[in-house]
Amino acid sequence: QLQLRESGPGLVKPSETLSVTCSVSGGSVGHRSQYWGWVRQPPGKGLEWIGSIHYSGSSYYNPSLAARVTISVDTSKNQFSLSLMSVTAADTAFYYCTKSNGIAVSGTDSWGQGTLVAVSS
Amino acid sequence: QSVLTQPPSVSGAPGQTVTISCTGTRSNIGASFEVHWYQQFPGTAPRLLIYTNINRPSGVPDRFSGSRSGTSASLAISGLRAADEADYYCQSYDSSLGGSVVFGGGTRLTVL
Repeated sequence: QLQLRESGPGLVKPSETLSVTCSVSGGSVGHRSQYWGWVRQPPGKGLEWIGSIHYSGSSYYNPSLAARVTISVDTSKNQFSLSLMSVTAADTAFYYCTKSNGIAVSGTDSWGQGTLVAVSS
Repeated sequence: QSVLTQPPSVSGAPGQTVTISCTGTRSNIGASFEVHWYQQFPGTAPRLLIYTNINRPSGVPDRFSGSRSGTSASLAISGLRAADEADYYCQSYDSSLGGSVVFGGGTRLTVL
């Protein structure tokens, strides 16, 4: 059974870069039909799609975040990562890593447990 | 403000049927992009409840059903149970502004 697990810093200072990694077990990030992504949720608020990547390197980002976001995949480690630059308090959220079969074609059928990243000095 | 509009809250008594709407525009649901629904309990990750408008993943009871028409979609929950009390989100794709996966703002279901 596919499992996703996020690992992150917990606390990031304003203007710095937030980095979170998702470790995949029970499956491969190199699976041809699967897309690996990130969704975030500020405490007490709704869901926001950040972006997705295919093992080939094709990536897709939320236009509202694209200037600050990079998602990368490491097939040798079976991991994928999120990097968000120039963070502010508004980036404080639970960050979930996800797996989908396509981009919004058949839904996001696997989710990590989420990791809370707070932005504060 | 979310691209897809959901009511902030709905409620119903045990055994009743409730419906949660998800209203979009011609650049998302109205453009025939698929709609998916998620259920989220406090402190946990969302789980896929309905995919591609009407389909249930394995393990989701048939009390949950999805539909769509024009620029809107709906999630119906029949035979309401206390365990259904959760937040529900719709999701689709929006082709405007370069394209993006979009979520509704979420609906809190309260079982009276």
